[in-house]
Amino acid sequence: SQTIHQWPATLVQPVGSPLSLECTVEGTSNPNLYWYRQAAGRGLQLLFYSVGIGQISSEVPQNLSASRPQDRQFILSSKKLLLSDSGFYLCAWSVLKSYEQYFGPGTRLTVT
Amino acid sequence: TQLLEQSPQFLSIQEGENLTVYCNSSSVFSSLQWYRQEPGEGPVLLVTVVTGGEVKKLKRLTFQFGDARKDSSLHITAAQPGDTGLYLCAGVPLHGNNRLAFGKGNQVVVIP
Repeated sequence: SQTIHQWPATLVQPVGSPLSLECTVEGTSNPNLYWYRQAAGRGLQLLFYSVGIGQISSEVPQNLSASRPQDRQFILSSKKLLLSDSGFYLCAWSVLKSYEQYFGPGTRLTVT
Repeated sequence: TQLLEQSPQFLSIQEGENLTVYCNSSSVFSSLQWYRQEPGEGPVLLVTVVTGGEVKKLKRLTFQFGDARKDSSLHITAAQPGDTGLYLCAGVPLHGNNRLAFGKGNQVVVIP
């Protein structure tokens, strides 16, 4: 069966510090991968999605970037965090040509 | 503007009562999905509806897709505390950018 992992589960970082969140998927090959941010426990904002290694599409101009160095690994990064980057970050995967998405447990990021 | 409007935003009921929440849009969707999210966790896919007028049942949960494929409802019979959570609808508009759009959710609280 497929599983999706995210880490860390929680993170408190000062303004201006770098960020790296990691997501890995097991039990499937060539998944579509997604990064979302959820503010105040409501609504999901799509940040990035990827259909393959090295292929990243950005949905919202922002202080963040994403990379996909391996087929089942998706990384969300920032060089300098802003207060507005605080939120609940969710990674998700789907099989090719399907819109049904399967989410990881999320990372709660607080920028202080 | 929000593509999918969910109502009510918040609903609190007693255990054993029935409830219905709604997901509406002015756009036509090829399919709609419902997810449930518990605090601090990622959303979990409950169901996908594809055909206009389709009704799907998942134990005490009944999902309906509108005839015109612009709206959906979720009805819970004899709600239990375990039904507490944020219910998110999501869909890909028939004429759009091929991205899954999420509503802001229906927060349901079932009081024991």
